[in-house]
Amino acid sequence: EVQLVESGGDVVQPGGSLRLSCAASGFPFSTYSMNWVRQAPGKGLEWVANIKQDGREYYVDSVRGRFTISRDYAKRSIYLQMNTMRVEDTAVYYCARERRIPTPINYYYIDVWGQGTTVTVSS
Amino acid sequence: QSVLTQPPSASGTPGQRVTISCSGGSSNIGSNPVNWYQHLPGTAPKVLIYSNNQRPSGVPDRFSGSKSGTSASLAISGLQSEDEADYYCAAWDDSLNGPGWVFGGGTKLTVL
Repeated sequence: EVQLVESGGDVVQPGGSLRLSCAASGFPFSTYSMNWVRQAPGKGLEWVANIKQDGREYYVDSVRGRFTISRDYAKRSIYLQMNTMRVEDTAVYYCARERRIPTPINYYYIDVWGQGTTVTVSS
Repeated sequence: QSVLTQPPSASGTPGQRVTISCSGGSSNIGSNPVNWYQHLPGTAPKVLIYSNNQRPSGVPDRFSGSKSGTSASLAISGLQSEDEADYYCAAWDDSLNGPGWVFGGGTKLTVL
């Protein structure tokens, strides 16, 4: 069974740091790109970061320079290091797998999501 | 303000057909496939439609998707009470400022 399990959510003060983890199982982890997506209270889904199989990283403007996505192939895990956190980073953070659409062009879609981990930034 | 624009709410009675629209631009919907997700509070989002109109196995054929230019839509026919949820469209954005996934603001579907 394909599974993504997030952990590391906590309450942190503004300006503080936190590291989220996502453990993957049930699929060949090294062949998939992975993402972090968040949902702030009362708001919609917002993509945060993406890491490709080759290690390329992409970020939404609001977190670029503060957050870092990484992956450990041996541990079948991805991470989100969050620094200089702000109140507006308060959200449920989801780990999500990206799957290639079987077409001649490299199109993808997010097909599997974890249950999420809650991050609260408050003084 | 989300990059993709959806109506904040939609409603219908059991058995009816409802559609949810999603409007974007040339760097996202105009260039890449659209995907649709169903999200119930406290649960993991679920993919309903990928690549504009493809249904993953297990998704009922009551759900269908279409795309034209820089807009897309999700249609739900034979509406059921369990369809009451939030629905999001998403597409990859090839923006030069920084590519990445963009989502619509979400549409809350109420089954009356």
